[in-house]
Amino acid sequence: GQSLEQPSEVTAVEGAIVQINCTYQTSGFYGLSWYQQHDGGAPTFLSYNALDGLEETGRFSSFLSRSDSYGYLLLQELQMKDSASYFCAVRDRGTGGFKTIFGAGTRLFVKA
Amino acid sequence: DTGVSQDPRHKITKRGQNVTFRCDPISEHNRLYWYRQTLGQGPEFLTYFQNEAQLEKSRLLSDRFSAERPKGSFSTLEIQRTEQGDSAMYLCASSFQAGGPRDTQYFGPGTRLTVL
Repeated sequence: GQSLEQPSEVTAVEGAIVQINCTYQTSGFYGLSWYQQHDGGAPTFLSYNALDGLEETGRFSSFLSRSDSYGYLLLQELQMKDSASYFCAVRDRGTGGFKTIFGAGTRLFVKA
Repeated sequence: DTGVSQDPRHKITKRGQNVTFRCDPISEHNRLYWYRQTLGQGPEFLTYFQNEAQLEKSRLLSDRFSAERPKGSFSTLEIQRTEQGDSAMYLCASSFQAGGPRDTQYFGPGTRLTVL
């Protein structure tokens, strides 16, 4: 089966750097995505890693190590608006096609 | 608005009734996904279409759930004989797959279902 683990909550102060880790177990791994979801809103795409290494997009970076089945999302220069839930999601190849399996999410609280 | 739209936004029904939700993806997106999300959890994969073909369906999905995408554009998700455990937010997402591994999904606002 597939499973993803990420911390349930992280708290950080404005201007700081925070790292949200994700470990996964899947049979047909294709890539790891990160999504942000504010309360009452829909998930929005942040980043995608198919190969090992770091992907940088503005204040957000994402890292993947396929050999360790591990990835992380790095948020720099934290702002109050970054308070949200962050989900890692594995793109997994099933019998007929692909499916995306989401973790339970990490709730990030940014304090002033 | 050229984003993913879902209708209705809210649905309240009595246990045992059938409900149907509609999703209109971003035009020209060839992939469409349905998810279910409950409070404090991540989206749970239900099914996925590539054009009009339903290529993958969660084994967690009972026979009461069915989805269609008849012309490869909009999609419907039907739940028959609803149960209180079906109460959740039902999310639709679409993406355009051009052959590479990347699959950026754009989510709609969701349909919140409450089963009394």
